[in-house]
Amino acid sequence: GNSVTQMEGPVTLSEEAFLTINCTYTATGYPSLFWYVQYPGEGLQLLLKATKADDKGSNKGFEATYRKETTSFHLEKGSVQVSDSAVYFCALYEGSGNTGKLIFGQGTTLQVKP
Amino acid sequence: NAGVTQTPKFRILKIGQSMTLQCTQDMNHNYMYWYRQDPGMGLKLIYYSVGAGITDKGEVPNGYNVSRSTTEDFPLRLELAAPSQTSVYFCASSYNRGSRNSPLHFGNGTRLTVT
Repeated sequence: GNSVTQMEGPVTLSEEAFLTINCTYTATGYPSLFWYVQYPGEGLQLLLKATKADDKGSNKGFEATYRKETTSFHLEKGSVQVSDSAVYFCALYEGSGNTGKLIFGQGTTLQVKP
Repeated sequence: NAGVTQTPKFRILKIGQSMTLQCTQDMNHNYMYWYRQDPGMGLKLIYYSVGAGITDKGEVPNGYNVSRSTTEDFPLRLELAAPSQTSVYFCASSYNRGSRNSPLHFGNGTRLTVT
C-alpha cells in the first residue's frame, strides 16, 4: 500500500544552520505531496505542497521538490530560526473525488537552539 | 477567526468510562475528519464525514463512534475507554476531501489518557 517514510528525529540544529528533512514515499499513480508543520500545543497546518513531478513547493523560506525518479520530497531551509522548532509531517494524497486518502509520515521533530 | 475548535484540551479517563470529544468548524467545510496521533507514529484516520448525515470508517475505527448532524459539528464518542486509546486526537476539516487543492485545517488537539 501507499506509505510515507521520514527521517528519524529529533533533528537538533543551531540557529542559521541549513536544514534538510528527508521524506520518501511509496505510491501507485501520481500523488500530491505535502509538508505539514505542528508547532508546540497546536494542530497541524499546511506548510507547502507540490502536485506533480518536478514541482517545487515553497513557503516561509522552506522548499521541497517533487522528485518522481527518487520518490522523494525532502524539506529544506537555508537558515533556520528558533521559531522553526516544531514537528514536521510529510504526507501524500492519492486519488480523486471522494475516493482519495491522505497518508502521513511519522513526523520529524526539529529543535533549533540559539 | 476560530477555524476548527476542539474541546476538551486534556482529559484523563478510567478504563471503561465513556466520553465525547467535541469538534466544531466555522468555515462551512463539507469534509471533517478525526485522527489520532501516537508517539513516533503518523496520524491515523479514525472516521471521516463528507457532509451532514454521512460518516464512514477510516483506518482505525474500532472503539469509536461519530455522528454528523450539522455541517459544523463532528463529535467523536468513546464508549468503553481502553488504555490503547491513550493518544492525542485531532479533528480536521477541508472543503474537498484533502485533495491537492484543499488542504486540511486542524484543531489544536485533545490529549487523552486512559488509566
